[in-house]
Amino acid sequence: KQEVTQIPAALSVPEGENLVLNCSFTDSAIYNLQWFRQDPGKGLTSLLLIQSSQREQTSGRLNASLDKSSGRSTLYIAASQPGDSATYLCAVRGTSGSRLTFGEGTQLTVNP
Amino acid sequence: GAVVSQHPSWVICKSGTSVKIECRSLDFQATTMFWYRQFPKQSLMLMATSNEGSKATYEQGVEKDKFLINHASLTLSTLTVTSAHPEDSSFYICSARIPTGSSYNEQFFGPGTRLTVL
Repeated sequence: KQEVTQIPAALSVPEGENLVLNCSFTDSAIYNLQWFRQDPGKGLTSLLLIQSSQREQTSGRLNASLDKSSGRSTLYIAASQPGDSATYLCAVRGTSGSRLTFGEGTQLTVNP
Repeated sequence: GAVVSQHPSWVICKSGTSVKIECRSLDFQATTMFWYRQFPKQSLMLMATSNEGSKATYEQGVEKDKFLINHASLTLSTLTVTSAHPEDSSFYICSARIPTGSSYNEQFFGPGTRLTVL
């Protein structure tokens, strides 16, 4: 059974810092991995999708990497802003038709 | 990215009544939709997978007679919480996936519905 772990559970940083959020998964046979953002009381916003054959994806100040063999992914946020404050969720899909398995999330606070 | 809408965004109802939540994929056709439940400070819990034109597949421990799911078209799935009780109060989120045949296979989420049962 796939298990997804996110470390740290919470992170507080001053504005402008570069930061890394970590995601690990127990079964390396994944189809793809998605990073999401969730604001309080809201749904999930898809940030980046990495296919199993890819090593990284970038969107603006966000960069996600994938090391499938070691069961790890990182989300790098450059020059953090208070508007980046949210919970970040990592989720993996085992096969093309299977469900997403979510981590517990990292609650990020960027202080002005 | 693709847009998924949910309606209503919040609902308050009396115990014993039924509540219907709609989930729509606005700019793509979703053969598969998912319904999740989220408790405060916790991650999402998958309740059921809904395939257009067929019966939903429920996760273990989720009562199918309690949570009725209908996926009548490629852009609409509904979740009806029947005879709601206070313990059903939660945040319900739907999701739609780009069809499996595409290489993208990305999943998009609705904004969620906050259900409060008095």
